[in-house]
Amino acid sequence: DVKVTQSSRYLVKRTGEKVFLECVQDMDHENMFWYRQDPGLGLRLIYFSYDVKMKEKGDIPEGYSVSREKKERFSLILESASTNQTSMYLCASSLLGYSGNTIYFGEGSWLTVV
Amino acid sequence: ILNVEQSPQSLHVQEGDSTNFTCSFPSSNFYALHWYRWETAKSPEALFVMTLNGDEKKKGRISATLNTKEGYSYLYIKGSQPEDSATYLCAPNRDDKIIFGKGTRLHILP
Repeated sequence: DVKVTQSSRYLVKRTGEKVFLECVQDMDHENMFWYRQDPGLGLRLIYFSYDVKMKEKGDIPEGYSVSREKKERFSLILESASTNQTSMYLCASSLLGYSGNTIYFGEGSWLTVV
Repeated sequence: ILNVEQSPQSLHVQEGDSTNFTCSFPSSNFYALHWYRWETAKSPEALFVMTLNGDEKKKGRISATLNTKEGYSYLYIKGSQPEDSATYLCAPNRDDKIIFGKGTRLHILP
């Protein structure tokens, strides 16, 4: 069974704090993704990575950065958290290439910025 | 940005009834279409991946069809059960991006 694990399920952070959201997958997938889910807006892609140390911007990268030092781990970084980054964040992974490869999701990290 | 539309946004269906909903997307540069089911407090779960025009996939009481020429896919649920209550997401991928629709929220009424 593919497992995508997001280590922090619920976080409360203060405005201006640096926040790390960690994601680990155990299926040797090349692709990893970070999405955020907001009511009425659906799942929006923040960043993705198709290899170690590689990263590509998604549709809403502003205010975020990512790190992929090891194949199994993909971290989302909020350099200076703001209240509009309060959201649910989903990590996902898949085999290399998009066509027909199932994306497997973690259970989500709920972040509140106060 | 790929424009993915799902309709209806929300749907209430009596237990035992059948239902269907739609995903529409631009048909150019199409590679594949994914359907996911997302239950509250769980991870989105893959239902189907379809790649060819005319594809039909079935998993128990749930089935899906794909028309890549006109850019739409239908998801059908036969004999709805309470466990079908979830948000159903479609996600076409085009080039190297997979973009999710906003989903159809299905509520099964007892």
